[in-house]
Parts: sequence; structure tokens; C-alpha cells
Amino acid sequence: EAGVAQSPRYKIIEKRQSVAFWCNPISGHATLYWYQQILGQGPKLLIQFQNNGVVDDSQLPKDRFSAERLKGVDSTLKIQPAKLEDSAVYLCASSLEWGNTEAFFGQGTRLTVV
Amino acid sequence: GENVEQHPSTLSVQEGDSAVIKCTYSDSASNYFPWYKQELGKGPQLIIDIRSNVGEKKDQRIAVTLNKTAKHFSLHITETQPEDSAVYFCAASKSGTYKYIFGTGTRLKVLA
Repeated sequence: EAGVAQSPRYKIIEKRQSVAFWCNPISGHATLYWYQQILGQGPKLLIQFQNNGVVDDSQLPKDRFSAERLKGVDSTLKIQPAKLEDSAVYLCASSLEWGNTEAFFGQGTRLTVV
Repeated sequence: GENVEQHPSTLSVQEGDSAVIKCTYSDSASNYFPWYKQELGKGPQLIIDIRSNVGEKKDQRIAVTLNKTAKHFSLHITETQPEDSAVYFCAASKSGTYKYIFGTGTRLKVLA
């Protein structure tokens, strides 16, 4: 079974630039999550999708971050414009169904904003 | 708001010894507690989980205990091996939101 795929693996941008991350969850997984992991901290949920609908985006900085999950499959997370404090690893995860079930994580995208 | 505290932040043990990592959660409605292992450059991977209707769960060298009254849960690794070296995260989730709140992580080093 293929895992959660994310791209790119690494990205370096200047502040105020834009960046987009892509995630392809495990086939058939209805729930998709984007997490932000700042160095030395645990992952923090940014947004949670159930199929193509947003379930929770309470911690997404909506003035600069946006995410979509078209057709309930893959997803993109965008930052525009980026700030220095956005430097982090962005993790995508998926789970088979809505509920307390195992979330499978991708390898993440390491973003450095300079 | 919801919070999960995790201790210690770093832990070094000799190969073959046991390691214990402890977490405390704030939301009494939490009912699912997974533990994730994260190796360098990789995403977190589930190693064991426990639900609130169970007090203890074991899988080979790994065990998790849950004390709902005190709102804390612990990961126990016995007979540690060098490949157990990684960062471990606890998390808590509750029905209805199914949103994982992660602890701050514990860097475990197993010394050969």
C-alpha cells in the first residue's frame, strides 16, 4: 500500500513570497489533515478535511494560509505571503474514516523562509 | 484550551534498559491516545494507541497505561535497542472532533 505522498520535500523562499505544498493521501482515505511542525515542537493541526469538506480550520491563519481538497482526493496548502515564522515542516496525514483511527503521515515538506 | 504536556523532553538510556515517557492531558472528554515515533527526516508513525475504556495495552516491548482520573498516560519501552532512538510524541483526541493534540515530544537516545 502506497503511503501519503508530499511534494516538494524542501523549499526555501524569501519572506513575502508565495509557496504551495501538495499532498496525495492513501487511496480511499476520507479524512485528510495538514499539520505544522515547528522545530522542537509537536505537530499542530492547521486544517482537517472530511472528503472535500472542511471540518476544522480554527488554527489556520486565514489571512495568509489557504487549503483545498478538490474532488476529495489530493490537497494543496498555500501560504501567501510567507513570514519568517512560517519556517517549519508541513505534514500531511490521512485516515481511512472519520473517527479516532490511525492517521498516516507523509514525510513532510520542510519550508525555510529567509 | 486543549493541551497535552509531555515529559521528559530528552531521555538517554543504556541498551537493554527500560524507558518511560509521560503525558498529561487537559480535556477530560479525550478518549483516544495514540503514540507516534518520528525518525529523522520522516513523518510520525503510529506505534501504539489506547482508548479510554482500557487501562493498559501491550505490544511486544511497548506498553501504554492510562489513568483517566489523573488524566495522564505513559509509554513504556522495555529492553531498549539502538533502533528505538527517535522522537516520540503522545497525542489526545476526542469523539466529535477527532483532532489530535500533540505533546511537545521526547527525544530518546539508546546508548549501545
